[in-house]
This record gives sequence, C-alpha cells and structure tokens, in this order.
Amino acid sequence: SQTIHQWPATLVQPVGSPLSLECTVEGTSNPNLYWYRQAAGRGLQLLFYSVGIGQISSEVPQNLSASRPQDRQFILSSKKLLLSDSGFYLCAWSAGFSYEQYFGPGTRLTVT
Amino acid sequence: DQQVKQNSPSLSVQEGRISILNCDYTNSMFDYFLWYKKYPAEGPTFLISISSIKDKNEDGRFTVFLNKSAKHLSLHIVPSQPGDSAVYFCAADSGTYKYIFGTGTRLKVLA
Repeated sequence: SQTIHQWPATLVQPVGSPLSLECTVEGTSNPNLYWYRQAAGRGLQLLFYSVGIGQISSEVPQNLSASRPQDRQFILSSKKLLLSDSGFYLCAWSAGFSYEQYFGPGTRLTVT
Repeated sequence: DQQVKQNSPSLSVQEGRISILNCDYTNSMFDYFLWYKKYPAEGPTFLISISSIKDKNEDGRFTVFLNKSAKHLSLHIVPSQPGDSAVYFCAADSGTYKYIFGTGTRLKVLA
C-alpha cells in the first residue's frame, strides 16, 4: 500500500533562517506531488505541484521554492523565512490519472 | 477570489441526527468535487467524491449531492457519530489535477 511521510512534524524557526521540509511517498511510481499550506482560519492553498522529476509548477508567488530530486521525494525550501510563512504545510500525492489526493501528516511551522 | 466557498465555519449536530455540510462554487469549469475530513494536527483524508455527470454519490453514511445549476454541493452524514467531529473541506477540480479547496466547516457531533 502507498504511504506518504513528512518531516519534521513541528518546527520553530526564527525570521530570516532557511527552511527545508521533506516529503517522501512509498508504494507508487511517478506520482503527482503537491505542497499545500493551511494558514490559520483559511483553507488549503496549493503552493507547488510536480508531475515528474525536476518539473515544478508554482501556484502562488512567494518566499518559498520546491524541488523534486527523485521520483518520490518532494522538498519545500526557503532561503529566508518570513513571519507570514507560519502555517501548517501539507504534502500530498495522487496517481497520474486519478483524482483523489492523499495527504501526509503535515508540518506545523512557526516563524518567530 | 474564493472560487470554492464554505459559508458555515462551524456546525453542531446531535448524535444520531443528520449533518449537512454545504459548499458553493463559482467556476463552471469544475467537473469533479471531493470532500475531505481533517482532524487537528493531521493531514486531510479523502472521504467521498462526485463527478459532474452525476447528482448524487453515496458511500455508507456519507452522501454527496451536486446541483450544477446552483453550483452547489452538500455532504450529508446520517446518522452522525461523535467520531465524525472534524473539519470538512470541499474541493473542486477542472480536470487539471489541481484542487481548489474551501475554507472548511468544523463539525461537532454532540453525544
């Protein structure tokens, strides 16, 4: 069966520090991968999606970037965090031609 | 511009009764709709979906209704159970595999 892992579960970082969140998927090949953010009191906002290695599409201009160095690995990064980057970050995957997305457990990021 | 709206941020229902969660959308290109359930500090889990060619889809206690002319969908949970207490998100897709999520409705089922 497929599983999706995210780490760390929680993170507290000072403003201006770098960020790296990692997501890996097991049990499937060539998944579509997604990064979402849920800010307090808001819905899920799609940040990036990827349909293959090295292929990244950005949905919202921001202080973040994403990379997909391997088929089942998706990384969310920032060179310098802002206070507004605080939120709950979720990674998700879907099979190439199906609609359901499956989410990881999420990372709670607090920028202080 | 919020293309998918869940206008009720919260809902309380007595155990055993029906829970009805509503969702409205503005983009007529959306052709697939999903409901997700989310517990605190966890990722959302897929609940049920419906294609625009249908007006109803049922899975156990969960039924989703789609009214395309009104651009409205609803999730019915019957009977409601305390374990159903969670935040429910509706999401819509226009065939691009990129979902637009609503802001969620927090359901509380009272024992």
